[in-house]
Order: sequence, then C-alpha cells, then structure tokens
Amino acid sequence: EVQLVESGGALVQSGGSLRLSCAASGFTLSIHWMSWVRQAPGKGLEWVANIKQDGSDKYYVGSVKGRFTISRDNAKNSLYLQMSSLRAEDTAVYYCAREKLGSDDFDIWGRGTMVTVSS
Amino acid sequence: EIVLTQSPATLSLAPGERATLSCRASQSISTYLAWYQQKPGQAPRLLIYAASNRATGIPARFSGSGSGTDFTLTISSLEPEDFAIYYCQQRKTFGQGTRLEIK
Repeated sequence: EVQLVESGGALVQSGGSLRLSCAASGFTLSIHWMSWVRQAPGKGLEWVANIKQDGSDKYYVGSVKGRFTISRDNAKNSLYLQMSSLRAEDTAVYYCAREKLGSDDFDIWGRGTMVTVSS
Repeated sequence: EIVLTQSPATLSLAPGERATLSCRASQSISTYLAWYQQKPGQAPRLLIYAASNRATGIPARFSGSGSGTDFTLTISSLEPEDFAIYYCQQRKTFGQGTRLEIK
C-alpha cells in the first residue's frame, strides 16, 4: 500500500525547534519531488517547502525561509522538516505530500502531524 | 504570484443535487489546475488533475473543466460522503476552499 506517515509534531514554545519526519512506503521515494503542506486550525492549505528527487534543489514559502530546512534520505525512505525559531503562526497540521510525476499536483498525502507553538 | 479565488465560499445543497464549484486564476494557467477534497480530520485527497482528469479511484460523478483562468468542479449527483471542503491548486498555490454542506 502506498503510504506516508508523519511524526514528530509536538507542543513547543515560541522560538523553539522541532524536527518532523515522514516515512514513505509502497513506492519508490527517490523518483518523486516531495513537499510539506500545512494547515492552521480552521484555515486552508499552505504549501511550505519541497525538495527534488536527489535533494539538490529545495524551495520554501517566504514566511519560513531561513527558519525551516527540508531534507530527505532516500535510502531510509524518509522526508524531514527541521523547524527553528518557531512562531505562533507556525501552529498547524503539517502534511507530507508526494508530488505526482511530471506535475505539481499532490497525489499522495500523509495523515499529518500537529505542531503547536505557544507564545 | 498567481492567486486562485474560489466561489462560493459555502454551497448548501441536498443529496442528489448537482454541485458546481468555481475556481478563478488571476492570470492564465492553461490547464494546470487540480482539485482536492478534504473531510474533517482527514488529509486532502486528489480528485482532478490537469483541469479535467480524474485521479485514480475517483467516481465518475466528479468532473472538472476549464482552461485559462476559469475552472469548474462539478459533482453530478451528490452523495452523502461528498459533503466536504474542496480546494483548487496550481503549482504551490491553493484556493481558499469551498465548503459543501448539506441543505
């Protein structure tokens, strides 16, 4: 079964750090761009970051540049998001999402992991 | 940066009725548009890609159309499980969502 499972979400104080993980199974991670997408409570979807198949290219939404780092380990079938200098506005469910081959669409999503930043 | 505007914000319909959801782009995006369904407490699910192609396992009652700046997601006859929030997406931008609720 094709699956993404996130972990690492927690309650953290403003200014703190957290590392999210996403375990992939049922498909070859190394051939896909991968993204993190977040959703603040009661709000819509916001793309956060993505990473190329071999990790050589990474892109971020402006609000997290310099604070978040996306990375991957294809040998471990895993995606990561290192978050630092966390702010209250980073509070959200963070989803790991697979980008469909040859497009920018997200065809597989994990169930998400909750990050709460207290101020 | 392209902005996607969805309308209406909320749509109230009864099971069996036809639903028409709109997504408008601030500039032409050809057919590079996807639609997602999200139910409470669940992750989004890809419904339509490239404006009009149903994703794997998506029922035929879901259809997408449009090109350029105006796009439509149509649900031909609403089933109880279709009441959810729907988002359009182009590249790394999402619309604000349309909530489809039971009338």
